[in-house]
Amino acid sequence: QLQLQESGPGLVKPSETLSLTCIVSGGSISSRSYYWGWIRQPPGKGLEWIGSISYDGNTYYNPSLKSRVTMSVDTPKNQFSLKLSSVTVADTALFYCARLERGAAPATIDYWGRGTLVTVSS
Amino acid sequence: QSVLTQPPSVSAAPGQKVTISCSGSSSNIGNNYVSWFQQLPGTAPKLLIYENNERPSGIPDRFSGSKSGTSATLGITGLQTGDEADYYCGTWDSSLRGVLFGGGTRLTVL
Repeated sequence: QLQLQESGPGLVKPSETLSLTCIVSGGSISSRSYYWGWIRQPPGKGLEWIGSISYDGNTYYNPSLKSRVTMSVDTPKNQFSLKLSSVTVADTALFYCARLERGAAPATIDYWGRGTLVTVSS
Repeated sequence: QSVLTQPPSVSAAPGQKVTISCSGSSSNIGNNYVSWFQQLPGTAPKLLIYENNERPSGIPDRFSGSKSGTSATLGITGLQTGDEADYYCGTWDSSLRGVLFGGGTRLTVL
């Protein structure tokens, strides 16, 4: 059974860079059939896709966040990462990592991590 | 405000049927597959429907999906109290080149 686990600091100061890692277990991140992505959910609000990355480093980012987002993949460690720069309190959210289909239905998100809360505060 | 429009809330009695709509445009729903997700309180979203009307293994056939033009619909029959959750539609947007989610619909089983 595939499992995804987010890790990273739960508190980030305004203007700094938020960094999270997602460790994938029970399956290989090097599958050609999937993208690996980040989705966030501010407290009490809806879901927002941040971006997706393939095992070979191909990326898609949310246009509204693109200037601040960098995603990377580490295939030997079977993990992928997110960096979000210049954070503000508006970036406070529950961050999920997930597996997305790479193909005709890229919104098919079939595995999700449990989520990690990141609070932006001084 | 989300590009995909869902009603904020719906409600129905146990055993009844409910539908949740998701309205978009030709750049998203109109030309791409739609997924539906269920988010129970305090948990991560779960894939309920993919490719408009397909159910992953383990999802009961009480849950169904359909699409017509630029709108999609999630149907739930035989409502149970355990179905109380937030439901989100999702799809790809060919113009934005990204995944979109609807704003979410809270289902209350009265």
